[in-house]
Amino acid sequence: ETGVTQTPRHLVMGMTNKKSLKCEQHLGHNAMYWYKQSAKKPLELMFVYSLEERVENNSVPSRFSPECPNSSHLFLHLHTLQPEDSALYLCASSQEWEGSIQYFGAGTRLSVL
Amino acid sequence: SQQGEEDPQALSIQEGENATMNCSYKTSINNLQWYRQNSGRGLVHLILIRSNEREKHSGRLRVTLDTSKKSSSLLITASRAADTASYFCATGSGYSTLTFGKGTMLLVSP
Repeated sequence: ETGVTQTPRHLVMGMTNKKSLKCEQHLGHNAMYWYKQSAKKPLELMFVYSLEERVENNSVPSRFSPECPNSSHLFLHLHTLQPEDSALYLCASSQEWEGSIQYFGAGTRLSVL
Repeated sequence: SQQGEEDPQALSIQEGENATMNCSYKTSINNLQWYRQNSGRGLVHLILIRSNEREKHSGRLRVTLDTSKKSSSLLITASRAADTASYFCATGSGYSTLTFGKGTMLLVSP
């Protein structure tokens, strides 16, 4: 148990569906992250939040919409996804966003049909 | 980019042998970290070495850092089947998030 909880663990959705991924951290950290991990590709940083403010957005398509209502919770809202969006989505948190140790959740395995 | 690049991409050894993985990066760093990922799970932090340190140990793990060569190595001694996983290096600066490498897949056979 890393102190970072992601739900759901598995998600299957159609291209016209709208769903949300949830991440909660119980570590008192100030920064939270969304990563995408596709097969045979490097870990891709999607979004970074520090103290509920977005600090990095790495050219992610608008069909992915993050939300950070407080420093303990992070959401990733999904709509009109494509099959190539199928991947493992990982949430992480850290004390600070500049180079701190990151603690990861177990991930959400997303399949887009 | 200061992205770390691990070498080799894949490594297969027998239980009891040592496993060595290397990481190279491009720009100056504050620290370098190693993480482990079991298949389909999240990454787990293993060890952090600061830019002014040359070697660090944690249990069966030994990490070295050579800032002049911009490289690091992770040594796992007396490997076990349970060490089978992907291992990632990540570089940290004081002005950006961690940058992860592509990882080394380690297979330890009984």
